[in-house]
This record gives sequence, C-alpha cells and structure tokens, in this order.
Amino acid sequence: DQQVKQNSPSLSVQEGRISILNCDYTNSMFDYFLWYKKYPAEGPTFLISISSIKDKNEDGRFTVFLNKSAKHLSLHIVPSQPGDSAVYFCAASGRSNYQLIWGAGTKLIIKP
Amino acid sequence: ETGVTQTPRHLVMGMTNKKSLKCEQHLGHNAMYWYKQSAKKPLELMFVYNFKEQTENNSVPSRFSPECPNSSHLFLHLHTLQPEDSALYLCASSQAGARANTGELFFGEGSRLTVL
Repeated sequence: DQQVKQNSPSLSVQEGRISILNCDYTNSMFDYFLWYKKYPAEGPTFLISISSIKDKNEDGRFTVFLNKSAKHLSLHIVPSQPGDSAVYFCAASGRSNYQLIWGAGTKLIIKP
Repeated sequence: ETGVTQTPRHLVMGMTNKKSLKCEQHLGHNAMYWYKQSAKKPLELMFVYNFKEQTENNSVPSRFSPECPNSSHLFLHLHTLQPEDSALYLCASSQAGARANTGELFFGEGSRLTVL
C-alpha cells in the first residue's frame, strides 16, 4: 500500500505556462515533505521542501503548497521552461520514522 | 556533479555472477544509502549507514550485501541475482543525525543493472 501517491504518471505543459504537480499521502504522521527532480541518466536532485508547520514555501519559480486536512501537496512551477522537463518525485517523512517515503514520480514535459 | 560518484554506470550480469557496485562521496557526509529504482515505481530504500554502522535494512534479500568501510565509501555486493533485480541502483549521502536524515539527500547518477 503506497503511502505517497503521485497519480499522474506524466504531464505536458506549454512553455511559459504554470506546471502543477500533485502528490497525496495517507500517513497523518508525516511532517516533512520534499520534491526531487530527476533528469534521464542522472540521480534525483533536491528541489524544495516544506515542513508541516507551514502551508506554503517558495523558492524562485518553484512553490510548494501543503494542505494537511486533505493530505495533499502540490508543486507549482511558474513560468515553465524547457529545462524543467524531468521526472519529479514527491517524498515524505514523519517523526516516528525518519526514512523518506517516495512517490512513483511524474514525468513533466514542457512543450515549446 | 553532485559529489557522489557511482561505478559502474552500467552492468550486465548473469544469475550466477558475483559483482559489486561502488559509491564514493566527497561531501563530508556521514550517512550513506542504497536505493533501488524500478520503472514507474517509487524509490525503495535498501540500506542506510550512519557513521559506517548499518542502521537500516529494509528486508532486502541476502543476495544483496552492503559494505561501508568508511564514511566516504559504500559498496553493494551482488551474487546469484534474479532477472527481477534488474533496476537502477542509486547511492545517496547526507549529514547524519535523526532529523538530518529527512533532509536533503545527494544522489549519484546510478548504476543500471541488467540481470540475464
């Protein structure tokens, strides 16, 4: 049973528009969430994180929103650029278990 | 360049072979990890080492044997693997410490393993 779910295997967005990647989780004990980005033939790289004491964290073009009541987080990329084409992984952890639990990833394709 | 180097990048082996994957980090971290990534599946944590001591083994079959001789090096020894073990094996490092383990992980580029 997957505790972290990324229900969209892929997403296609026009360059310059907003990309919204979604992630749902089931474990209410999760209190820290991260997004990683992965290019082909490379390892994942850390992008942005959010603690459960916040509902929003922004870093340049990237903003992560957390809705604890819905157990949902989203990553917004504005404006989307061709270099954003990659697989994006959502991950979560909780106080009782510091391991990261990962989603299956969403492949983002930015169209010119 | 993330400061975590994995070799080999690609490995093809038969079910009776013995091979090893190597990981080296130049970031001064003291926690190292092995992950398995199969197509369209979440990353699966295999092993965690903190200060050279194994602190996690996620029910990994004994045909995978990790070794951490020091804080900078991590090996994954492979023997009598099965075709379903074919996957991308990722090494990562981070600062150790209870909360730090949930923070940023620095990944290598991975070793693509094919078991025939």
